[in-house]
Amino acid sequence: DAGITQSPRHKVTETGTPVTLRCHQTENHRYMYWYRQDPGHGLRLIHYSYGVKDTDKGEVSDGYSVSRSKTEDFLLTLESATSSQTSVYFCAIRETGLGEQYFGPGTRLTVT
Amino acid sequence: GIQVEQSPPDLILQEGANSTLRCNFSDSVNNLQWFHQNPWGQLINLFYIPSGTKQNGRLSATTVATERYSLLYISSSQTTDSGVYFCAADSLTGGGADGLTFGKGTHLIIQP
Repeated sequence: DAGITQSPRHKVTETGTPVTLRCHQTENHRYMYWYRQDPGHGLRLIHYSYGVKDTDKGEVSDGYSVSRSKTEDFLLTLESATSSQTSVYFCAIRETGLGEQYFGPGTRLTVT
Repeated sequence: GIQVEQSPPDLILQEGANSTLRCNFSDSVNNLQWFHQNPWGQLINLFYIPSGTKQNGRLSATTVATERYSLLYISSSQTTDSGVYFCAADSLTGGGADGLTFGKGTHLIIQP
C-alpha cells in the first residue's frame, strides 16, 4: 500500500469555524491532490500540488485553500466551514505528472 | 474538461456470475484507472490502463483508446466484490498533472 495517511479521520465541526485537514505521504512523490466525494457526484478535484509551494485550483475549489511547505505534507483548509462542505475528503499522490494515482483512507467531515 | 460516464449505475448479481462494467470517456486520455471502493470507503487501485488489456486474477480490463472506452470484467463473482467501481481519467491535452475526472460509479451487489 502507498504510504498515505490523513488526519483526522473523522471530524464534526460547527458552521463558521476554520478546519484544517492534513495529508501526509512517505513516498516522496511530487504530485498531491485533494478530492471530495459526495453522493451522486463521484470524486471531484478541489486543489492539487505539483511541488513544494506550487499549487493550483481544481473543479470545486471555492471555499478551500491549500498549502504545501514540505514534500510530504499537503494541507487543506476550510476558512469558514459551511454545511455544503460536509463530505468525505480524499488525498491522493502521484510520482510524476503521468502514471497511477494512489489514495489515502479519507476524512469524513460533518459541518453542523 | 474530459467527461467520464459509467454504466450500468447499479448491478445485482448472484455469487459466481460474471459481469462487465463499461466506462466511456470524451477525450484522448493520458491516464485511465479503475478503482474499487469497498463498504468501508477505501479506494483500492485495480488497474492503471490507458490502453491495452490487463488481468489480475478474476479481474481483467481492456481500454480501446481510439474508441474512447474501457471495460472491466469480473468473473466468478464473490460477495467480497460488492461495492462501488469507479473509472477515472485525465485528458492527454491537460498534461496529466491536474488530477483525475471520475465517473459516478457502478454500484455492484453480489448476493450469496
